Amino acid sequence: NAGVTQTPKFRVLKTGQSMTLLCAQDMNHEYMYWYRQDPGMGLRLIHYSVGEGTTAKGEVPDGYNVSRLKKQNFLLGLESAAPSQTSVYFCASSRDPPYWGYTFGSGTRLTVV
Amino acid sequence: AQSVTQLGSHVSVSEGALVLLRCNYSSSVPPYLFWYVQYPNQGLQLLLKYTSAATLVKGINGFEAEFKKSETSFHLTKPSAHMSDAAEYFCAVTPESGGYNKLIFGAGTRLAVHP
Repeated sequence: NAGVTQTPKFRVLKTGQSMTLLCAQDMNHEYMYWYRQDPGMGLRLIHYSVGEGTTAKGEVPDGYNVSRLKKQNFLLGLESAAPSQTSVYFCASSRDPPYWGYTFGSGTRLTVV
Repeated sequence: AQSVTQLGSHVSVSEGALVLLRCNYSSSVPPYLFWYVQYPNQGLQLLLKYTSAATLVKGINGFEAEFKKSETSFHLTKPSAHMSDAAEYFCAVTPESGGYNKLIFGAGTRLAVHP
């Protein structure tokens, strides 16, 4: 089925470890996004991309890096994980223009101990 | 700064009762508005969207929302709740500046439906 696929679905990291979350979409969407979801705070935008080779900072970018080397993939990296990065991470993609709405992945639950 | 406020983090209704989930936004320009639903352990799904056409928008699963510019509101309603409507609902809005290429989400409202 067409959509947005996130890997991994679950991960436990120790403080200071690094990891990369992968998001892949097969809908040929131009726009891709990484959000984090925390209780009572809704979804907050970490980084986004408006096309292959582009990235931009969102509302809460500190401690994260991203890359969009291929149109279908959007990677989110944590160089040195901290407990404050414990969250559920969602990737989304959208056609151009993006007001048609987002298609979300099923999320990655990350725990940093 | 652009913001979206969802009144009530938890709403509980009886099966068959009216569902009303409130969303207010702050913007000096007409935004695009969205409602998303999140079922347990899943990603968000688009329920409906307002993109400056009709002010009353119908979505999936019997939900609808009305854009009221004078009240800066976009409340979500459903005439008769079903047990399967139990989920978390998010209102989202395009930002006032910086283009329409990202959404700002509210904190969410968790809807419980009891028999």
